[in-house]
Amino acid sequence: AQSVSQHNHHVILSEAASLELGCNYSYGGTVNLFWYVQYPGQHLQLLLKYFSGDPLVKGIKGFEAEFIKSKFSFNLRKPSVQWSDTAEYFCAVNPANQAGTALIFGKGTTLSVSS
Amino acid sequence: EAQVTQNPRYLITVTGKKLTVTCSQNMNHEYMSWYRQDPGLGLRQIYYSMNVEVTDKGDVPEGYKVSRKEKRNFPLILESPSPNQTSLYFCASSSPRLATYEQYFGPGTRLTVT
Repeated sequence: AQSVSQHNHHVILSEAASLELGCNYSYGGTVNLFWYVQYPGQHLQLLLKYFSGDPLVKGIKGFEAEFIKSKFSFNLRKPSVQWSDTAEYFCAVNPANQAGTALIFGKGTTLSVSS
Repeated sequence: EAQVTQNPRYLITVTGKKLTVTCSQNMNHEYMSWYRQDPGLGLRQIYYSMNVEVTDKGDVPEGYKVSRKEKRNFPLILESPSPNQTSLYFCASSSPRLATYEQYFGPGTRLTVT
């Protein structure tokens, strides 16, 4: 079965620290990849997405992610986090043959940033 | 403004009392989905629809029904809610006309079944 693994359940950082959240998926075919963020009490917002081309994608608020096909990974990074980045982060995979209909989510990583 | 709306946003009900959570999108999207979010489990797809009158089961469809009579609306029906359906529910929409098939999410409905 297709699945998405997020390596860290809870990450605690100080402001200005660098962030990397791991995401691996199990699916042998072509995929579209997403990172969503959920701020406390709010709905999901798209941070960034990859569907083709340059494997290094840039999103909103200074986030970026790198798709490494050989490792089935799509890790999220930010060089310097802010207190306002405190949120839950979800990696999601959309198999290309189910494009638009099925998003498979990881279990989420809670990021807590202290000022 | 392009958006997905859900109603109600919060609902407390009792076991066995039928309820409907509405979802509507104004982007003329063909695809719509329902997800539930539970702590430690992430989001799991309940049902999806590829167009009017075309629906199919997701990963956790038991205890839920859906209908798609109009393109913009995709209600989620719980015929006989049980406490294990206490969760946060999200509706989402997408379109094959979007190159990345990005899904747009509603604000969520927090359901408590006692």
